[in-house]
Amino acid sequence: NAGVTQTPKFRVLKTGQSMTLLCAQDMNHEYMYWYRQDPGMGLRLIHYSVGEGTTAKGEVPDGYNVSRLKKQNFLLGLESAAPSQTSVYFCASSLGGAGGQNIQYFGAGTRLSVL
Amino acid sequence: AQSVTQLGSHVSVSEGALVLLRCNYSSSVPPYLFWYVQYPNQGLQLLLKYTSAATLVKGINDFEAEFKKSETSFHLTKPSAHMSDAAEYFCAVRGAGGTSYGKLTFGQGTILTVHP
Repeated sequence: NAGVTQTPKFRVLKTGQSMTLLCAQDMNHEYMYWYRQDPGMGLRLIHYSVGEGTTAKGEVPDGYNVSRLKKQNFLLGLESAAPSQTSVYFCASSLGGAGGQNIQYFGAGTRLSVL
Repeated sequence: AQSVTQLGSHVSVSEGALVLLRCNYSSSVPPYLFWYVQYPNQGLQLLLKYTSAATLVKGINDFEAEFKKSETSFHLTKPSAHMSDAAEYFCAVRGAGGTSYGKLTFGQGTILTVHP
C-alpha cells in the first residue's frame, strides 16, 4: 500500500541544470498536485492536474513545467534551476470532485538544493 | 479568494498540558477546513477535517477542532500533550465550489515543542 511515492528524495543541482521530479500514486486518484514548502510560508501550490493529459497553473508556477501523461504519474520539471528553487517539494493526490471526501494525500517530499 | 492565518509560528507546552493551536480563515464560500501534521523529514498527514457536518471534529491521536463560523476560526486542541506530538501543524482551507478543483490554501505552519 504505497500511496504517493516521490523520487528522488534528495538532489543537489548547480544553477542552470535541469531535472525532473517524479510523483506516482497507486490510489487511482484523478487529481494530483505539486507544492513547494519554504520556512514560514507553509505550502504553496505550483501546478496541478485534474485528470490524465490536463495540467493547470497554481500559485507559484514560474520556472516549472509539469506533465500528466499517465493517470498515476505527475512529473515536475525544472528547465534551468535557480537558487530560489531550493526548497522541499511535495506531491499530493486526491479523488477529485467538490465534496468533502476530496482529501489530499501527500508523498514524503523531495529536498532540492540549487547551488 | 481564501486565506489562512495560524497565530504563533512556535508553541511550546509541557508534557501533559493542554495543546491549543490557532487557525483563522477567510473564504468567500462555505469552506472545508483541514489540519495536517508533519513529523520531521516526512510528508503531511491528515489529522482531521471539517466538511459542514458537526462543528466539533475529532481526529487521530485525541486531537479535535471546533469550527466557529462567527469567529472564522478552526482551532486545534488536545487535552494532554505527549512527547510524540512534537511536529509542525498546518491548517488549510478549501472552497466547497466545484471550480476549486480541491485546491488547498495552507497557513504558515506552527511548530509544536513538547517539554518533559
